[in-house]
Amino acid sequence: DTGVSQDPRHKITKRGQNVTFRCDPISEHNRLYWYRQTLGQGPEFLTYFQNEAQLEKSRLLSDRFSAERPKGSFSTLEIQRTEQGDSAMYLCASSLSGQIYNEQFFGPGTRLTVL
Amino acid sequence: AQKVTQAQTEISVVEKEDVTLDCVYETRDTTYYLFWYKQPPSGELVFLIRRNSFDEQNEISGRYSWNFQKSTSSFNFTITASQVVDSAVYFCALLNNAGNMLTFGGGTRLMVKP
Repeated sequence: DTGVSQDPRHKITKRGQNVTFRCDPISEHNRLYWYRQTLGQGPEFLTYFQNEAQLEKSRLLSDRFSAERPKGSFSTLEIQRTEQGDSAMYLCASSLSGQIYNEQFFGPGTRLTVL
Repeated sequence: AQKVTQAQTEISVVEKEDVTLDCVYETRDTTYYLFWYKQPPSGELVFLIRRNSFDEQNEISGRYSWNFQKSTSSFNFTITASQVVDSAVYFCALLNNAGNMLTFGGGTRLMVKP
């Protein structure tokens, strides 16, 4: 399977704990995106990378959220001091740059539950 | 700021009925791209179609068709002869001019009953 993969698929944590999610994009894709989807809503853009550079991060929800893509391949999204309001599906997508309309391919998501 | 509105939160039809999902968008960009994605119960978003702002030709792909009208800022999606497997949440999305951010609508949950 050469699609976008995310790990873990489900995460249950207690309020105040830190969590980290991983995304592996399609291998030849140099753009990687993170979205958050709460129940009954559409995905909401958080941040994106082109290769290892984080080119847009103003939409990250608070300073508790951070993302990295150290070698331009996989990416991690970390949430520090989780709150119950962070419970959501976190989606990763990747695309190929060069033509701006290249569709983004989405992974299966990581569902976070904060107790 | 960009905005996508899908006014229909939930639609229920009986198999073989035709159904149209509405999408209205707002943007200040003169060049932009519109998408439809399907999210089945498994949760993974599946790309259906892309349309750029200069191409107002309607498109048909099997039982799916799309009607893009720039004058009314609408990009509606019709499923002909719906099937139970079409049951899913459908999202309309707008890609900004820089090509780095998709703005999604709230989605329309389609339930097709046998």
